[in-house]
Amino acid sequence: SQQGEEDPQALSIQEGENATMNCSYKTSINNLQWYRQNSGRGLVHLILIRSNEREKHSGRLRVTLDTSKKSSSLLITASRAADTASYFCATDASGETSGSRLTFGEGTQLTVNP
Amino acid sequence: EADIYQTPRYLVIGTGKKITLECSQTMGHDKMYWYQQDPGMELHLIHYSYGVNSTEKGDLSSESTVSRIRTEHFPLTLESARPSHTSQYLCASSEQGRNIQYFGAGTRLSVL
Repeated sequence: SQQGEEDPQALSIQEGENATMNCSYKTSINNLQWYRQNSGRGLVHLILIRSNEREKHSGRLRVTLDTSKKSSSLLITASRAADTASYFCATDASGETSGSRLTFGEGTQLTVNP
Repeated sequence: EADIYQTPRYLVIGTGKKITLECSQTMGHDKMYWYQQDPGMELHLIHYSYGVNSTEKGDLSSESTVSRIRTEHFPLTLESARPSHTSQYLCASSEQGRNIQYFGAGTRLSVL
């Protein structure tokens, strides 16, 4: 079964507004990561939050993690047209002997209108 | 920008052809991965490798094969392409002890 599910599937906002995307997962994790993908390109790592952390910031990004609810959120503040992309959460599940495999969510397509 | 390269970027081929998608990284990473992604959809892991001569199948059944003869090179081969193989294929790598993955730009494959 799918590990990560994201909502909304698509989000359209105006430049300057904040964008919030949510991710839910099913099993215990070591950490959760967020990636960005521009259309037709590969993914770029944005931020990693460990299972013992509750919140993390990086520039205009804020990530929260609630392990009791098995959920995470990504907040992009003061959005820009250049933030238009798909955003994916990815979980590193604890207990896997295979180590560094990540399971990606379905992604949220963010459109920031100028 | 990550130092991981995929060629070709786009490929249109006929059914039954054998193809190899190339992936190379210059970061010295031990771990490499192949994902399949349909447009706007999630990524599915099809193969991975934790080092030279190590290859494993991923979560999504795939008719492709991979090899890892050199650390920097992780090619994916389809012996007989079919229209159902039409998709984007993404290669990634990560260093030992860290599981942040670095992605190539992808190969968009169309099988007619």
